[in-house]
Amino acid sequence: SQQGEEDPQALSIQEGENATMNCSYKTSINNLQWYRQNSGRGLVHLILIRSNEREKHSGRLRVTLDTSKKSSSLLITASRAADTASYFCATGRGGGTSYGKLTFGQGTILTVHP
Amino acid sequence: EAGVAQSPRYKIIEKRQSVAFWCNPISGHATLYWYQQILGQGPKLLIQFQNNGVVDDSQLPKDRFSAERLKGVDSTLKIQPAKLEDSAVYLCASSLVGLAGSQNEQFFGPGTRLTVL
Repeated sequence: SQQGEEDPQALSIQEGENATMNCSYKTSINNLQWYRQNSGRGLVHLILIRSNEREKHSGRLRVTLDTSKKSSSLLITASRAADTASYFCATGRGGGTSYGKLTFGQGTILTVHP
Repeated sequence: EAGVAQSPRYKIIEKRQSVAFWCNPISGHATLYWYQQILGQGPKLLIQFQNNGVVDDSQLPKDRFSAERLKGVDSTLKIQPAKLEDSAVYLCASSLVGLAGSQNEQFFGPGTRLTVL
């Protein structure tokens, strides 16, 4: 079953603008990860934020996590045409018995126009 | 560092035929995952291996799907017989084993696009 729900389902912006994608989930988590998928290719890991973290940065990416609201957001600043892809959030319940299992959301399709 | 390898990249078969996919994970990654991704949806975990043992196959349709990971390295996923609804991209991923309570990122292969006619 899909745990994460991304919002919006599709986002269209101009190059240079910022893109914000949101993810909501239902059960408690150990961490939340964001992945990018270019058309017809495998997924690429972008960033991992643990449940005891509130914000994390990586280059032009900024991720926030609010465990009280069971939600996360991914911000891409100064977007480029090459950022055009589908973005997925995935929730993890950690190691131990789950051995790092991830549950993916439906994804947000981002289109950046040159 | 070589990534996760998968083959074939594309496969077209008739319904009721059988098909097999192969995956070679990143060297040293003990955990291997097979996902099914239907068009327009996120990946859905089919089966997860820790070395050569299955730790989660709760969403694997066991009447037609099977998977193995002999020697704890390469893995194959088989569908027999295939149905129209099996048309999807089959993704293989691998990851390092995290410390107790922690979790690491997963590295994905390019996937195999299966079309069942």
